[in-house]
Amino acid sequence: DIQMTQSPSTLSASVGDRVTITCRASQSISNWLAWYQQKPGKAPKLLIYKASSLESGVPSRFSGSGSGTEFTLTISSLQPDDFATFYCQQYNSYSRTFGQGTKVEIK
Amino acid sequence: QVQLQESGPGLVKPSETLSLTCTVSGGSIGSYYWSWIRQPPGKGLEWIGYIYYSGSTHYNPSLKSRVTISVDTSKNQFSLKLSSVTAADTAVYYCARDRLVVAAEHYYYGMDVWGQGTTVTVSS
Repeated sequence: DIQMTQSPSTLSASVGDRVTITCRASQSISNWLAWYQQKPGKAPKLLIYKASSLESGVPSRFSGSGSGTEFTLTISSLQPDDFATFYCQQYNSYSRTFGQGTKVEIK
Repeated sequence: QVQLQESGPGLVKPSETLSLTCTVSGGSIGSYYWSWIRQPPGKGLEWIGYIYYSGSTHYNPSLKSRVTISVDTSKNQFSLKLSSVTAADTAVYYCARDRLVVAAEHYYYGMDVWGQGTTVTVSS
């Protein structure tokens, strides 16, 4: 099984900050990586797919990059609505695995 | 637009079988993959498995021996059965539309539509 490791687990930031979250795969997954945002008590929301493609309706301050085993999610200017937990998720040979999550907190 | 709704018992006894159904509305279940995902209290997301509208399935190896996912295209529904449950299976269970395209290669575009989730507690 492919394991996904996110860092950091928790991140404290202020409104307006540039925020970067990293996700590493235990083996190459090409660019088959998605990023989700989850707020308490809500279902996850798809932000990015295929490592860098922005899902329709998602603000352009969210961006993704990477390929192979290392990926990043960047929020260019953190907004009050962005405080949440973010998950990466890989696809490989019909299986999927989520990272353990990164909680973005108010500093 | 497409909406998903999970339904099923909120309380299941240890050693029994958890059964949930996801109803797809606003669109057809055809031509898509459909996944189940769960989230134990205070923890992260765990993919359980998927079913294609044709009936083909693939499960998380860690749950494979206890999981069955089925589809009823006439009702626009797919279902999850998890047998021999324990307290460790207590979680919020989500269904989601899973955008995988299988041609000469595989193309994956993430899970774009999710149900609101249903809480299942395993307790006697």
